Order: sequence, then structure tokens, then C-alpha cells
Amino acid sequence: EIVLTQSPGTLSLSPGERATLSCRASQSVNSNHLAWYQQKPGQAPRLLFYEVSSRATGVPDRFSGSGSGTDFTLTISRLEPDDFAVYYCQQFGASLPYTFGQGTNLEI
Amino acid sequence: QVQLQESGPGLVKPSETLALTCTVSGGSISNLYWSWVRQSPEKGLEWIGYIYYTGTTNYNPSLESRLTISVDTSKSQIYLKLSSVTAADTAVYYCGRGGWSLDVWGQGTLVTVSS
Repeated sequence: EIVLTQSPGTLSLSPGERATLSCRASQSVNSNHLAWYQQKPGQAPRLLFYEVSSRATGVPDRFSGSGSGTDFTLTISRLEPDDFAVYYCQQFGASLPYTFGQGTNLEI
Repeated sequence: QVQLQESGPGLVKPSETLALTCTVSGGSISNLYWSWVRQSPEKGLEWIGYIYYTGTTNYNPSLESRLTISVDTSKSQIYLKLSSVTAADTAVYYCGRGGWSLDVWGQGTLVTVSS
């Protein structure tokens, strides 16, 4: 099983600042099969990126995804109040099960 | 736009079978994969499995012995059955569109396993 470790666990920033969230895999993620989600309290996760850097519909371009192999990054260039949420990475590589990271709580 | 709605009992007794339905509206169920994911404070987000509209499935190995996911295209519904449940199966259960990354999610339904 591929374990995804997200860091930091909590990130405290202010609107207008840049956020950098990390997701590290215990082994290489095949074919860059990695996604990022945003989740707000009481809501289902929302897909932000698939295949590492392909932006999902409606995701603002201040969000960007990057990385390969075992190290992946979600960057939010200029935080807006609506961006404060929990962010998860997910891998769906060649071996089962598909797994999620434990999340990064982005707080004001 | 496509909407997903989970439904089923909110309370299941230990050792019984958890059964949920995901109803798809506003779009076709055909030619697509559909997944189940659950979330609990203890385990976080956990991938349960997916099904193709033809019925082909792929399950989380840790749940496979207790799990059945099926589909009824005529009703635009996807089903989850998890047998011999324990308190560890208490979670919010989500259905989603996709077999890998999920681009549409239901609102989720809380299932509590308790006597």
C-alpha cells in the first residue's frame, strides 16, 4: 500500500499570502496518478487537480499542482478567504488500494 | 449538471450488512466509473472501490471479503453492500463519479454501527 504523508498538518496563513502544501508518497506514484481535493466543514471533497497538474473544472488559476515520482506540491499563489479548508492528496497508481493523505488544514 | 445522492439506513447493528444506494441524476450513468469512499475521524478518507457501468469492479483489498458494489443502469443507481460490520465501519459514506480521481461527489451519508 502506498502511504501518502502530507505536510504540514496545519498551515496558518493570511489572505494574500502564498500557501505551499506537500504530499510525499512512500513509493513512486505510477504515471503521475495523483489528485488533490479541497474539503470544507460539512461538505464532500471537491476535486482540484487530477494527474498532478490538470486543473478540474472551475478551479481558479491561483491554484497549481506540481511534482512527480514521490513528491508533489499544491500551491495557492494568493490566498483568498474562501481557500481556507482542508486539502487532501490521493494516489491511484498501479497497486491497490488507492489511498489518501491525512490532510493539511489551511487556517487563517 | 450531474448530481449524486446517497441513501440508506443511518444506523446498522454490529454483524449486520450495511446497504447504501447512490442515485445519479442530471446525467448518464453509462460509459463511466463510479466509486465509493468513506471518511471517519479515525481513518480519514478511505477508498472503498469502484464499478464500471458494465459491472466490472475493483475493491479495496482490506474490504474485499465483505464488500459488494453493483449497478443498475435502468435506475441510474449504484449500490454498496458491506457485510459483518463493526464499529470500525462507522463513517460518512460518499459516492463519486470516476474510478480514480472523483470529479463529482454526493453529499455523503453518515452510517453508525451500534447496537
